[in-house]
Amino acid sequence: GAGVSQSPSNKVTEKGKDVELRCDPISGHTALYWYRQRLGQGLEFLIYFQGNSAPDKSGLPSDRFSAERTGESVSTLTIQRTQQEDSAVYLCASSLMGLNYGYTFGSGTRLTVV
Amino acid sequence: QQPVQSPQAVILREGEDAVINCSSSKALYSVHWYRQKHGEAPVFLMILLKGGEQKGHEKISASFNEKKQQSSLYLTASQLSYSGTYFCGTANSGGSNYKLTFGKGTLLTVNP
Repeated sequence: GAGVSQSPSNKVTEKGKDVELRCDPISGHTALYWYRQRLGQGLEFLIYFQGNSAPDKSGLPSDRFSAERTGESVSTLTIQRTQQEDSAVYLCASSLMGLNYGYTFGSGTRLTVV
Repeated sequence: QQPVQSPQAVILREGEDAVINCSSSKALYSVHWYRQKHGEAPVFLMILLKGGEQKGHEKISASFNEKKQQSSLYLTASQLSYSGTYFCGTANSGGSNYKLTFGKGTLLTVNP
């Protein structure tokens, strides 16, 4: 596609339920990132995938968070046993590898845990 | 280590200039600048690399001072469309060159 696609755009879930967020990166972009943005805050790094290398999971806040990526395509971020503090916009970005390329962000998934 | 942006917010009249600063406590490899409008995704503006220089994009340009470990974004003759939150993202030398740590953002409001 022309851009990074994320689904769903909005998700309201009950505390304790699991949620899955999906990201479709730009075709040919080998790098994929997940960030979290709480209301009025900056972007908090969660996880980074690069080709077939082991992902950098250093930003995942707890073991309730996990993510997968199939080859160089779709990625899924899963949050288990959601808590109210998980409420945020989850942004996915993709980029070409190399020194001169910026990130292209998706429109995000707004997650609300009630 | 999260970079520090200043100011936190700035209000301009159309046509005025602004400077947004981004400082790191660690040696920088690269600095990215993004603009995010309310309710939208951040949009890439430019990237500055270690050993690089000042880059420009229409009336928006940026500099990268490796010695001071900081970058500045310059907006000249601001337009209403420049309104939004500006984020710098930094990659530190010695770490992952492709994983950015973002500052908290600078809210820029341009009024008619």
